Amino acid sequence: GAGVSQSPSNKVTEKGKDVELRCDPISGHTALYWYRQSLGQGLEFLIYFQGNSAPDKSGLPSDRFSAERTGGSVSTLTIQRTQQEDSAVYLCASSRDVGSGANVLTFGAGSRLTVL
Amino acid sequence: AQSVAQPEDQVNVAEGNPLTVKCTYSVSGNPYLFWYVQYPNRGLQFLLKYITGDNLVKGSYGFEAEFNKSQTSFHLKKPSALVSDSALYFCAVRDENTGNQFYFGTGTSLTVIP
Repeated sequence: GAGVSQSPSNKVTEKGKDVELRCDPISGHTALYWYRQSLGQGLEFLIYFQGNSAPDKSGLPSDRFSAERTGGSVSTLTIQRTQQEDSAVYLCASSRDVGSGANVLTFGAGSRLTVL
Repeated sequence: AQSVAQPEDQVNVAEGNPLTVKCTYSVSGNPYLFWYVQYPNRGLQFLLKYITGDNLVKGSYGFEAEFNKSQTSFHLKKPSALVSDSALYFCAVRDENTGNQFYFGTGTSLTVIP
């Protein structure tokens, strides 16, 4: 597609429920990142996918968080048993092969999660 | 460890005046440096980048940034601020040695006063 598409744009859920956030990257972009942006905070790295390589999960805050990327394209970030502190905007970004430092990240508009 | 610092949470400037948003970084190898802007309820948009070559980089919307290796800085500048420049600005760095990770600063909120 023309840009990075994220859905839903807004999600309100109750504490303890599971949520899934979807990211559709730009066609041909092999690298995909998830970040979390909390109110008044910067961007917190969550997870990174590059082609068929094992993902870099070093930023996932707990085992309630997981992500997958099917067929090297669409990615789903899953948060199980949501907590109020999970409330944030979840940003997805994609890039061409990051082997070249010149490549930049293109961000989606984000999914705003509110846990009541 | 790799990191980015944006020392000012908030910058206010009068319309028509020059603006500067500060960024310093720490990496082990040569840095790749980026600036992004975020408008309300939007994702981040790429403004400009420094990879190699000329230390003064020009980007979108009249913005420019100067890479200063000795001061490990990459400040964002614009000669004449517009009210529409009001937004949240993020500096980011990639380390040529670690490659994959982008490290973002905490952001600077710019307000241009009419």
